[in-house]
Amino acid sequence: IAGITQAPTSQILAAGRRMTLRCTQDMRHNAMYWYRQDLGLGLRLIHYSNTAGTTGKGEVPDGYSVSRANTDDFPLTLASAVPSQTSVYFCASSPTSGSYNEQFFGPGTRLTVL
Amino acid sequence: GQNIDQPTEMTATEGAIVQINCTYQTSGFNGLFWYQQHAGEAPTFLSYNVLDGLEEKGRFSSFLSRSKGYSYLLLKELQMKDSASYLCAVSDNDYKLSFGAGTTVTVRA
Repeated sequence: IAGITQAPTSQILAAGRRMTLRCTQDMRHNAMYWYRQDLGLGLRLIHYSNTAGTTGKGEVPDGYSVSRANTDDFPLTLASAVPSQTSVYFCASSPTSGSYNEQFFGPGTRLTVL
Repeated sequence: GQNIDQPTEMTATEGAIVQINCTYQTSGFNGLFWYQQHAGEAPTFLSYNVLDGLEEKGRFSSFLSRSKGYSYLLLKELQMKDSASYLCAVSDNDYKLSFGAGTTVTVRA
């Protein structure tokens, strides 16, 4: 693994189903983030984690949950998917959660909820 | 709340210069980032400004005026591979990034 990876690359999901998007980084970054990107709205922060064992809510957290059991992994779960959650989801990481915090992005997961 | 504005689209000719403006009103300021995003790909870091002035990095330069809540990204000697979306992002009081909707730049031959 080099950098930050996400799985799956794309997924079509029936409404009401549960789905977990996976994110793994091998850079030993403390902070990790989940964004969704929708046309005309740009990237919006869903949840974040400043360090392993802690999580926080971003701008659009409703309908999503996260966990950060270790430094490398930051999965995003949709408990019961709805069509409005159709989007491209990007995971990102940064060395720290403060000061200069350049974020490195994964390749994204394209999710369609029908 | 956060308000970050940038133009939706810009078109320019290969070899020309394009300036992408970004204005912001945010809860606190801890720096401004520019990212490049090619269609279907992840955003990648271009530049960071935290103090007023111009930062130059090869063909790309970024300017910041904190008092005016204003930044621009200058792309010189445009190449076809520069066709992409350019995202302005502000680091707020909690060091979280708020992104503008992005500016799609199309470079014509």
